[in-house]
Amino acid sequence: AQSVTQLGSHVSVSEGALVLLRCNYSSSVPPYLFWYVQYPNQGLQLLLKYTSAATLVKGINGFEAEFKKSETSFHLTKPSAHMSDAAEYFCAVSDEYGNKLVFGAGTILRVKS
Amino acid sequence: NAGVTQTPKFRILKIGQSMTLQCAQDMNHNYMYWYRQDPGMGLKLIYYSVGAGITDKGEVPNGYNVSRSTTEDFPLRLELAAPSQTSVYFCASSYYGQGYEQYFGPGTRLTVT
Repeated sequence: AQSVTQLGSHVSVSEGALVLLRCNYSSSVPPYLFWYVQYPNQGLQLLLKYTSAATLVKGINGFEAEFKKSETSFHLTKPSAHMSDAAEYFCAVSDEYGNKLVFGAGTILRVKS
Repeated sequence: NAGVTQTPKFRILKIGQSMTLQCAQDMNHNYMYWYRQDPGMGLKLIYYSVGAGITDKGEVPNGYNVSRSTTEDFPLRLELAAPSQTSVYFCASSYYGQGYEQYFGPGTRLTVT
């Protein structure tokens, strides 16, 4: 069965610093991978997704993620953190039948001024 | 488009009471999902549906029931509420499964005391 591991339940960066949120997956088939963001007291919204096209995927708000099959990773990055990036971020992988997503436990990003 | 709507936003139940969480989408999506979110645990799938009249269990279905009589609506029923069902519940929908993003509602915060 598919699974997702997000390293670090909390990540703290300074405003303007690089953001790196880690995600590793296990998948028995070529995966579809997603990053979602959740702002306080809101639902999840899609940041970006990988669907077997380009391995470097660009998303909204300056975020991007690189699919590395050899490392089974899909880490999320942003060159310069902004205060408004403070939120919880979830990595997810499609299950082998394509009917549902398996989510990681989430990483809370804190941005310090 | 309103997207995915959920009612109510908040609810407090007494142990043993029952209630229905409502979810509707106006995007003509085939797939719909119910998740619960608990701190540090990510999202856990309760039930999902791949079309009207078709539902299936997710990872944590015990204590819940669903039905899908129309494409638009996917209510979640809690029978005999227990404190372990205190959580935030999210409904989501997608056009199809594999590779398609899920759109999330704003959530229902449920407390069982």
